[in-house]
Amino acid sequence: QQQVRQSPQSLTVWEGETAILNCSYENSAFDYFPWYQQFPGEGPALLISILSVSDKKEDGRFTIFFNKREKKLSLHIADSQPGDSATYFCAGNNAGAKLTFGGGTRLTVRP
Amino acid sequence: GALVYQYPRRTICKSGTSMRMECQAVGFQATSVAWYRQSPQKTFELIALSTVNSAIKYEQNFTQEKFPISHPNLSFSSMTVLNAYLEDRGLYLCGARAQANSDYTFGSGTRLLVI
Repeated sequence: QQQVRQSPQSLTVWEGETAILNCSYENSAFDYFPWYQQFPGEGPALLISILSVSDKKEDGRFTIFFNKREKKLSLHIADSQPGDSATYFCAGNNAGAKLTFGGGTRLTVRP
Repeated sequence: GALVYQYPRRTICKSGTSMRMECQAVGFQATSVAWYRQSPQKTFELIALSTVNSAIKYEQNFTQEKFPISHPNLSFSSMTVLNAYLEDRGLYLCGARAQANSDYTFGSGTRLLVI
């Protein structure tokens, strides 16, 4: 049973557009949701995160929107750049226990 | 800053042999270390979570007999893949954090190829 789901599996946008990556989860105990960015050949690097008490978190061009009632969140990447091309993973965490990852969204930004 | 180094970066082993991979935390104390395997399909599977001074917790489908882990201090952890077979191939990631409510920092992984 996959506790964290991501969609779409792959996404292509043009440079300058806003990329929207979706994530949903099943475990109501999750209270912390980090997003990781992974480039080929590298490990995942923390990009931005949100606590379940918030409904929005912004950091530069990256914004998380969180809907606790629907158990959904999304990552918006504004003014997408070719350098943003990577795989993005949403994860859920509860009370310091294990981090559960989604299947990832592969983003391609075309110049 | 907090960094995690993993080595080797990649390794090839013959089917049925074993290989050991290491994880080094720099710039912080790795109270907890999580070992993940990322399959070729990119999904992450948690193998085990190790917290200093606590028992190592293995996830379903992963055992200490197959993936023995050592976490002797706050900067180092190692994991061995015993009797590796094709299904064990993938990118093995070490994630470490200082406290229960802090973020994991991941290394670049050890890519295991089994021939």
